[in-house]
Amino acid sequence: QKEVEQDPGPLSVPEGAIVSLNCTYSNSAFQYFMWYRQYSRKGPELLMYTYSSGNKEDGRFTAQVDKSSKYISLFIRDSQPSDSATYLCAMSAGIQGAQKLVFGQGTRLTINP
Amino acid sequence: NAGVTQTPKFQVLKTGQSMTLQCAQDMNHNSMYWYRQDPGMGLRLIYYSASEGTTDKGEVPNGYNVSRLNKREFSLRLESAAPSQTSVYFCASSEIRDRGRVAKNIQYFGAGTRLSVL
Repeated sequence: QKEVEQDPGPLSVPEGAIVSLNCTYSNSAFQYFMWYRQYSRKGPELLMYTYSSGNKEDGRFTAQVDKSSKYISLFIRDSQPSDSATYLCAMSAGIQGAQKLVFGQGTRLTINP
Repeated sequence: NAGVTQTPKFQVLKTGQSMTLQCAQDMNHNSMYWYRQDPGMGLRLIYYSASEGTTDKGEVPNGYNVSRLNKREFSLRLESAAPSQTSVYFCASSEIRDRGRVAKNIQYFGAGTRLSVL
């Protein structure tokens, strides 16, 4: 079983829809949770990060962490064609595991005009 | 600031050939990483360097060697390329920040090197 599971999609939604992307994980030591966005033929770029449980909002993006369920989500409101990309979740543990960032396999998202 | 710069962007090798992928960062980060990305496999860590002068194996180190040349540069070498090493390679860097016992490891990535081994 992988430490981090992410549905690879592909996911296709109409412009303006609310998008929900999710990851589950098995390692309870994970403390930092990140979402990276990767456009085709580009490197991943950090979109959002959260520490421990709770919500974090940045414009049209909201990241949610539920440590009791070992489940994280990224919501995109008013989705735009420019949001079409692969979204990767990533997690890291405490100081002993500081060097190890574990990635989900990514969800490929297409926003249709 | 350029961030993380990788060279070359594309490379085609024949089985058994060797090559070095170059990576440089201008963010004064201590830590640097090499990943490979394959369809359906996500990003897998090959090697990392926590600081200048140190390197450690990641999840898939076999067939690769690394050199942390200085704080800015971290190279990945394929001594004898195999078709299984066909992949997209990403370099990343980060500055680990402590928060009590928990460290935030936000990594910044280069644009990648697409490697084909025939």
